[in-house]
Amino acid sequence: QKEVEQDPGPLSVPEGAIVSLNCTYSNSAFQYFMWYRQYSRKGPELLMYTYSSGNKEDGRFTAQVDKSSKYISLFIRDSQPSDSATYLCASIYGNNRLAFGKGNQVVVIP
Amino acid sequence: NAGVTQTPKFQVLKTGQSMTLQCAQDMNHNSMYWYRQDPGMGLRLIYYSASEGTTDKGEVPNGYNVSRLNKREFSLRLESAAPSQTSVYFCASSDSGTSGRGGYQETQYFGPGTRLLVL
Repeated sequence: QKEVEQDPGPLSVPEGAIVSLNCTYSNSAFQYFMWYRQYSRKGPELLMYTYSSGNKEDGRFTAQVDKSSKYISLFIRDSQPSDSATYLCASIYGNNRLAFGKGNQVVVIP
Repeated sequence: NAGVTQTPKFQVLKTGQSMTLQCAQDMNHNSMYWYRQDPGMGLRLIYYSASEGTTDKGEVPNGYNVSRLNKREFSLRLESAAPSQTSVYFCASSDSGTSGRGGYQETQYFGPGTRLLVL
């Protein structure tokens, strides 16, 4: 079992909708959680970073961590066609390595 | 700042051929990583180098070797390519602190990737 699980199914939403993405993790020692965004044929880039439990907002993006249920979420409000990308959740473990989820491809339809 | 650069961008190999993927970073980062990304499998760590002079195996090291040439450069070598190594390869770097416990400053930055097709 991978330490970070993400249902890799694609998601299509109309422009302006809220996008909700979720991951679960198994290692209770995980404390640092990230969301990476990857555009087609590009490398992943860091989108959001959170430490421990709680919410973090950055413009239209909100990252949420619930350590009691080992759940990581990303919400995108007022989604735009430019948000169309693959979103990967990740957590840091020993020696600054990242455990990645499989990624969700999001398509925002104008 | 170019960030993390990778060469080549695309390569076609025949089974049994060898090649080296090059990676360089100009951010003075201590740690460097090689990943492969396959459909439905996500990003999987092949090898990493926590600091200059050290390398360690990741999740899927078989069939690969690495060299941390200096602080800037980290290469990945396929000695005898196999069709199962057809993938997109990403190099990444991070400024890991001595604790390695993570922190925003220890975020990994990725290169643009190398697409490898092994026939």
